[in-house]
Amino acid sequence: DAKTTQPTSMDCAEGRAANLPCNHSTISGNEYVYWYRQIHSQGPQYIIHGLKNNETNEMASLIITEDRKSSTLILPHATLRDTAVYYCIVNVYGQNFVFGPGTRLSVLP
Amino acid sequence: GAVVSQHPSRVICKSGTSVKIECRSLDFQATTMFWYRQFPKQSLMLMATSNEGSKATYEQGVEKDKFLINHASLTLSTLTVTSAHPEDSSFYICSARGPNTEAFFGQGTRLTVV
Repeated sequence: DAKTTQPTSMDCAEGRAANLPCNHSTISGNEYVYWYRQIHSQGPQYIIHGLKNNETNEMASLIITEDRKSSTLILPHATLRDTAVYYCIVNVYGQNFVFGPGTRLSVLP
Repeated sequence: GAVVSQHPSRVICKSGTSVKIECRSLDFQATTMFWYRQFPKQSLMLMATSNEGSKATYEQGVEKDKFLINHASLTLSTLTVTSAHPEDSSFYICSARGPNTEAFFGQGTRLTVV
């Protein structure tokens, strides 16, 4: 079973920031938080991951709470091409990923 | 990011025949590869994990004799669906990771058994 809880769906206006929450209250000390997304009929695409500190790359920012029980993926300026299912996964490095249902993000024009 | 190439992207086969799907890591050595299956409107379900040179480890409920996995090199893994039936129709996705890389996914193979 997935160890994370995400909202089923979210809408975001094009050009605005998309903030996708994830709860992982049972996360262990050696588990990372990973985010992937899947655009329709494609394989999942890696977005970002982190352990304790906030992370930022060219795609997104990851904010992890101090107690590590939840996190937020931020897409700073959402575009129509960001419409996808976003998966939040907690995982010990090297082990397989267990996918939950994810959040279906719809970016609206 | 790293590239994982999966081939074919879609295949249609007759019931009772076998289909082979290839997964290649193009710019890194994949010490571990994962095979997933995804039915419509559902999430990815892990089928098996394979380490280079070792036998694959199958998840509960996945028939190892029906879904043959070979990971003979650090850049190639294959999944063969043997004696395919219509219920095997699905979206099959591979994932590869190296010793110091994240997991990267192939573009998926849509299998339709008629």
